[in-house]
Amino acid sequence: QKEVEQDPGPLSVPEGAIVSLNCTYSNSAFQYFMWYRQYSRKGPELLMYTYSSGNKEDGRFTAQVDKSSKYISLFIRDSQPSDSATYLCAMRRSQGGSEKLVFGKGTKLTVNP
Amino acid sequence: EPEVTQTPSHQVTQMGQEVILRCVPISNHLYFYWYRQILGQKVEFLVSFYNNEISEKSEIFDDQFSVERPDGSNFTLKIRSTKLEDSAMYFCASRGRNQPQHFGDGTRLSIL
Repeated sequence: QKEVEQDPGPLSVPEGAIVSLNCTYSNSAFQYFMWYRQYSRKGPELLMYTYSSGNKEDGRFTAQVDKSSKYISLFIRDSQPSDSATYLCAMRRSQGGSEKLVFGKGTKLTVNP
Repeated sequence: EPEVTQTPSHQVTQMGQEVILRCVPISNHLYFYWYRQILGQKVEFLVSFYNNEISEKSEIFDDQFSVERPDGSNFTLKIRSTKLEDSAMYFCASRGRNQPQHFGDGTRLSIL
């Protein structure tokens, strides 16, 4: 079983739609969870950073973590064409443990005007 | 907003040649990383660096790879004798204490 699984899509939605992106993981040692956005030929740009289970909101973005199910989600409300990018989930162990980020494969999102 | 800067954006090198990829992390960050992304695949961890030494490395990071922080601002990745399979995007990342990692835009390495 892969450590982090993410549906690569592609996902195509109309402008204004609510987008749901998800990752599952197998390693219960993961404690920190991140979502990065990657535009073509650019590096991963940090969107959300969470530690505990529950929801964290930042503008149109909401990150959700369910450690009991080993499942994380990113919701994008009122999606815009500028949200078109690849979204990467990433996670790491707790402080003092391994610092490496383990990434999902990324979901390619297109928001159509 | 401060950012991680990587140069060059694209490097083309003959197989067997040495290559050095350069990064300027965000100032006052203390932890530094290299990752790579082969076309169509996941971003993969290579190495982490703190307090002037490697703190963790992956199995990819073999004797052909080395990292260095030659001064207070630069962080480099050297590949001693490049192979075709080293062709990838290489990303540098840095972070402050108890903060998430921030990435540069990468160097695209093409081995001929």
